[in-house]
Order: sequence, then C-alpha cells, then structure tokens
Amino acid sequence: AQTVTQSQPEMSVQEAETVTLSCTYDTSESDYYLFWYKQPPSRQMILVIRQEAYKQQNATENRFSVNFQKAAKSFSLKISDSQLGDAAMYFCAYRSPTGANSKLTFGKGITLSVRP
Amino acid sequence: GAVVSQHPSRVICKSGTSVKIECRSLDFQATTMFWYRQFPKQSLMLMATSNEGSKATYEQGVEKDKFLINHASLTLSTLTVTSAHPEDSSFYICSARQGARGQPQHFGDGTRLSIL
Repeated sequence: AQTVTQSQPEMSVQEAETVTLSCTYDTSESDYYLFWYKQPPSRQMILVIRQEAYKQQNATENRFSVNFQKAAKSFSLKISDSQLGDAAMYFCAYRSPTGANSKLTFGKGITLSVRP
Repeated sequence: GAVVSQHPSRVICKSGTSVKIECRSLDFQATTMFWYRQFPKQSLMLMATSNEGSKATYEQGVEKDKFLINHASLTLSTLTVTSAHPEDSSFYICSARQGARGQPQHFGDGTRLSIL
C-alpha cells in the first residue's frame, strides 16, 4: 500500500519570503500522480498543484512550484513571495492512475502560518 | 472550473436522528464520488468510494449500516448517517471525479455535523 509522509506538523514563514513544505511517499508503482492541496480555515479543499510521475519537469503554478525527486520519492512544495492568504493546512497526496476506484492517499498535513 | 456542491454546510441535531448529506457535481459527470471524514487539525480519512449505479466500497472500519451511501446518478451522491450519536459529530467532505486516469478530484465545501 502507498503511504504519504509529511513529517513537519507546523511551519511558519515571514510574508514575502519563501517556504518549502516537505513530503515523501512510498510506492512500488512507476506511474502515479502527486498533488498538493490547501485547506484554509474555511476548510474548503483547494488543489494547489499536480505532478505526473512520468513527467520529469517540475510542475509550476504561479508562486507555487514543486521539487519532484522520483528516485528519492520526494515531492516538496515551494511557495515563493508568501502572502497572508497562504496561511492554511497543506496536504500532500498520492494517487495511482489505474482503476476507476483509484483513490487519493493523504499525508497528515502541515499547518503553515504566515507572519506579517 | 469544476464545481462540487455539498449541502447542508452545517447540521445540528439530536442523538438518534438520521442525517442526509448531499453531494452534487454541477458542471461535470462524476463517475466516482468519495466521502471523507475529518477531525480538527487532522487529515482526511476516506470512508467510502462509490461509482454511479453501484454499491459503495467502504474502507476498513467504516460501518456500512451506519453510513449509507447512494450514488444514484452521475451528478448526485448522498451520505446518510443513521441513528446518529455524539461520536458521529465531525466534518464530512465529499469529492467527485470524472473518469479515472489523470482526472483531478474536486471537493465540496464540507458539512459540519454536530450531534447533541
């Protein structure tokens, strides 16, 4: 079974600075998808970024980018120019692409606070 | 973008009552729907996966007679918490996905259930 590990429960960053949230996973599959979701205090789950394992290029979405290291099974999220609205809980997630019931496996999450 | 509507957002009811939560995909056909439970400051715990017209697949430890899931159409799934008790109080989130390979999951805004 796949597992996703987010070992840091909390992090803090100064506004306008850069922060990196770490995530590692364990799988025997070679083809899969990785995601970062943001959950602000409203508790809505928001997709931040998505990476396909067969793509070597790291995904980027505006201020958000990932460092995907397939051999090391690492998938960290970098937030540049942090804003107060980035304060939220962030979840790393893994999904196998095969099967209609392929489901997301979430990490425990990390609470990010942004200092003004 | 894809929208998933979850209703109601908040429910307070007496112990012994059955509560129904609806999850609708508004602008796409949801082949697969997922129901999660989340405790404060914790990750999402998958309860069950359902495909349209089929019986739901429950995760280990989730009582199927307690949490009834119906996925009657490609746009609607319901979760009924039967004879709810205070320990069923939690935040419930639905998620929907169109197709299988590569499609992201879209989340509803969640339902906060409080059983008195």
